[in-house]
Amino acid sequence: DAKTTQPPSMDCAEGRAANLPCNHSTISGNEYVYWYRQIHSQGPQYIIHGLKNNETNEMASLIITEDRKSSTLILPHATLRDTAVYYCIVRVLTTSGTYKYIFGTGTRLKVLA
Amino acid sequence: DAGVIQSPRHEVTEMGQEVTLRCKPISGHDYLFWYRQTMMRGLELLIYFNNNVPIDDSGMPEDRFSAKMPNASFSTLKIQPSEPRDSAVYFCASSFGAGQETQYFGPGTRLLVL
Repeated sequence: DAKTTQPPSMDCAEGRAANLPCNHSTISGNEYVYWYRQIHSQGPQYIIHGLKNNETNEMASLIITEDRKSSTLILPHATLRDTAVYYCIVRVLTTSGTYKYIFGTGTRLKVLA
Repeated sequence: DAGVIQSPRHEVTEMGQEVTLRCKPISGHDYLFWYRQTMMRGLELLIYFNNNVPIDDSGMPEDRFSAKMPNASFSTLKIQPSEPRDSAVYFCASSFGAGQETQYFGPGTRLLVL
């Protein structure tokens, strides 16, 4: 299974862009990268996902390197409400033909006033 | 939609007791997932269902754990007998399809086994 590596924690000033890196060097060609976040003790919340092209939605942008070995989640204007643990996940196809998420340990982002 | 509903939100029990966690997925979703989150191991997939049928239970830790989905709107995760090392937050999630579709997580059940 592909594994992800993320820095354990990051700080970001309110209003600035938060750039959260993720390494997934063993990712296979058909495995998607997903980002979720978990605010305090709530359930994880979907942010964005992609395969090889950069993606943008109302919450964030996802930049995937050409070799797909790493990606960066960008929160363009971080707010205090964005303080959370951010998970970079690879969705893998198992040998039984099913899909599953492999969660990393996440990055604890703290947005500072 | 109310989202994924889990009950109870908190459960405290004594070692050896049976524990049943419940989940109601989002209406219309055909996949249901059970996860466990601990400080040591992070988020782990335990089992998931497609159209009420268990598809992959390779994450279920041992025979003390069992999960059922008797219909499209209800699932249970049972631990019998419970042990202190089962203390964790258990999340249920659902999705429509398992391709690119996102998973919607419930609020979790915080279990403490004394």
